[in-house]
Amino acid sequence: KAGVTQTPRYLIKTRGQQVTLSCSPISGHRSVSWYQQTPGQGLQFLFEYFSETQRNKGNFPGRFSGRQFSNSRSEMNVSTLELGDSALYLCASSLGVLNTEAFFGQGTRLTVV
Amino acid sequence: KQEVTQIPAALSVPEGENLVLNCSFTDSAIYNLQWFRQDPGKGLTSLLLIQSSQREQTSGRLNASLDKSSGRSTLYIAASQPGDSATYLCALTQGGSEKLVFGKGTKLTVNP
Repeated sequence: KAGVTQTPRYLIKTRGQQVTLSCSPISGHRSVSWYQQTPGQGLQFLFEYFSETQRNKGNFPGRFSGRQFSNSRSEMNVSTLELGDSALYLCASSLGVLNTEAFFGQGTRLTVV
Repeated sequence: KQEVTQIPAALSVPEGENLVLNCSFTDSAIYNLQWFRQDPGKGLTSLLLIQSSQREQTSGRLNASLDKSSGRSTLYIAASQPGDSATYLCALTQGGSEKLVFGKGTKLTVNP
């Protein structure tokens, strides 16, 4: 059974550019959540999608957006990149029903220069 | 606002030692508590999930307990090995949401 797949694994972007990250959840999982991990702030919740609808959103500016497709794959977009957006971006997949286990991908390391 | 704390931030032990990692939270109204392991630069690996109606879970050398009334969870690692060296994170869900609230983690080093 394939795990959670995130692409690309590494990205280097320039300030002001935009970037799109992709996450393919475990087959049968309908919930995809995104997290930002930095040394200073730890893991912070960005948003969660379930059946193509955003169910929850964290406290991030509107430059961070996402979407989910009918096959449950999700994309996250960051526009007008800032140096502080450099981080490991992780996505988690779960069945989407309460009390189920979350499984994480290997992450996308974004560096903004 | 829920806050999750993990103490200590770092721990170094000799191989073979039994050890306990601690996780505390401020709001006892939680659904799940999950323990993860993270190797440097990698994603999170799920170790154990304790659902709201449970008090503990075991997998191999790992045992996790949950006491919601006191706002604490512990992860017990028996007979530690150098391969157990990693950062261990606890996270919880609450309020009918899939959102995980994480602690900052405990960085474990097991010395041969």
